[in-house]
Amino acid sequence: DIQMTQSPSSLSAPVGDRVTLTCRASQGVANFIAWFQQKPGEAPKSLIYATSTLQSGVQSKFSGSGSGTDYTLTITSLQPEDSATYYCQQYRDWPYTFGQGTRLEIK
Amino acid sequence: QVYLVQSGADLKEPGASVKVSCKASGYKFTGSGYHIHWVRQAPGQGLEYMGWINPSNGGGDFVQKFNGRVTRTRDTSINTVSMELSGLTVDDTAVYFCARTYSGRIIDFWGQGTVVTVSS
Repeated sequence: DIQMTQSPSSLSAPVGDRVTLTCRASQGVANFIAWFQQKPGEAPKSLIYATSTLQSGVQSKFSGSGSGTDYTLTITSLQPEDSATYYCQQYRDWPYTFGQGTRLEIK
Repeated sequence: QVYLVQSGADLKEPGASVKVSCKASGYKFTGSGYHIHWVRQAPGQGLEYMGWINPSNGGGDFVQKFNGRVTRTRDTSINTVSMELSGLTVDDTAVYFCARTYSGRIIDFWGQGTVVTVSS
């Protein structure tokens, strides 16, 4: 199975700031990367697929990039509602494994 | 609008089985490339991928750690898929989510989650 490692495990940033979250795969995943946002007590929400394509209705403050084994999620103009845990997932090879998540706190 | 509505919370004793259902609406349930995947989340933990079912033909697979313990079913007359997990242990205590994929792989919509608690 492909292992997904996210970093950092948690971070805190002020309102208005920009952050970049990282996801590394144990082998190349050919841009088959998705990102999800999960707030406490809620189901995950799909943000991005194919590394950089926003799901319908997702704000343009979210963007993704990367290639090979290394991928990033960038969030700009941070607002309190962006506080959540963010997960990456590879869907190149089944099983479609998730990273362990990055918890983002907005100060 | 696409909706996935899951069955309610359940409390089971160790060794029992639990069946979690996921009712879809707002799209063609058996449409090409629309699969239902299952993901679980233990208390305070991250997302764990479990497996998938193709509502069109009932095909699918679950990861090896669940093999022999999980039964996948679907009822196209009521646009519902179900996952039954047997031989429950306390480690199966989790929120179980269903999620729709299109093109067979890309998750776009999620169910609200079903809390399964295993306790004696």
